[in-house]
Amino acid sequence: EVQLVESGGGLVKPGRSLRLSCTASGFTFGDYAMSWFRQAPGKGLEWVGFIRSKAYGGTTEYAASVKGRFTISRDDSKSIAYLQMNSLKTEDTAVYYCTRVGGTVVTYYFDYWGQGTLVTVSS
Amino acid sequence: DIQMTQSPSSLSASVGDRVTITCRASQSISSYLNWYQQKPGKAPKLLIYAASSLQSGVPSRFSGSGSGTDFTLTISSLQPEDFATYYCQQSYSTPPTFGPGTKVDIK
Repeated sequence: EVQLVESGGGLVKPGRSLRLSCTASGFTFGDYAMSWFRQAPGKGLEWVGFIRSKAYGGTTEYAASVKGRFTISRDDSKSIAYLQMNSLKTEDTAVYYCTRVGGTVVTYYFDYWGQGTLVTVSS
Repeated sequence: DIQMTQSPSSLSASVGDRVTITCRASQSISSYLNWYQQKPGKAPKLLIYAASSLQSGVPSRFSGSGSGTDFTLTISSLQPEDFATYYCQQSYSTPPTFGPGTKVDIK
């Protein structure tokens, strides 16, 4: 059974940093791209970024709203994806989800989601 | 970025009703369109990918259609567990973008 478990959320002051982890099980982690999303309270879904599998260079893409502040990485030996968030702003407050990217490079979708972890940025 | 819109933004329906939700893209996205269901306090769940392919384990009362800019999610006979918010999402180009959601509640 595919499982994704996020951790590392919490309350942080503006300008500070936080690192989220996404621990995967039930599939060969290294074969898949992984993505992060967020959902502000009462709002819709916003893509944060993704990291490709090593087979596709392990490269990353980011939303404009977080580019330069957030970094996604992966440790295939531990089946963990990370989201390093720096220079946090109050508008980064949201539930953060990690997802597995299914399908193909051409036709992809987000087929498994973690339960989410809440990040609150407030002074 | 490709903008996604959905209609209606909310609807009230009864168990057994046929429900149709529409999603429109700001430019042609071929069939690179996915649908998700989200219940309060829960993570989204993939229902339909590539416009019309049913994700494994999803009941057959859910179906998707469309291509280009206009897409539809249909629930053939609404069940109590289907009351939720539904989102469409395009995977034609980066960044992947979502519609604002359609909330389906009980009439």
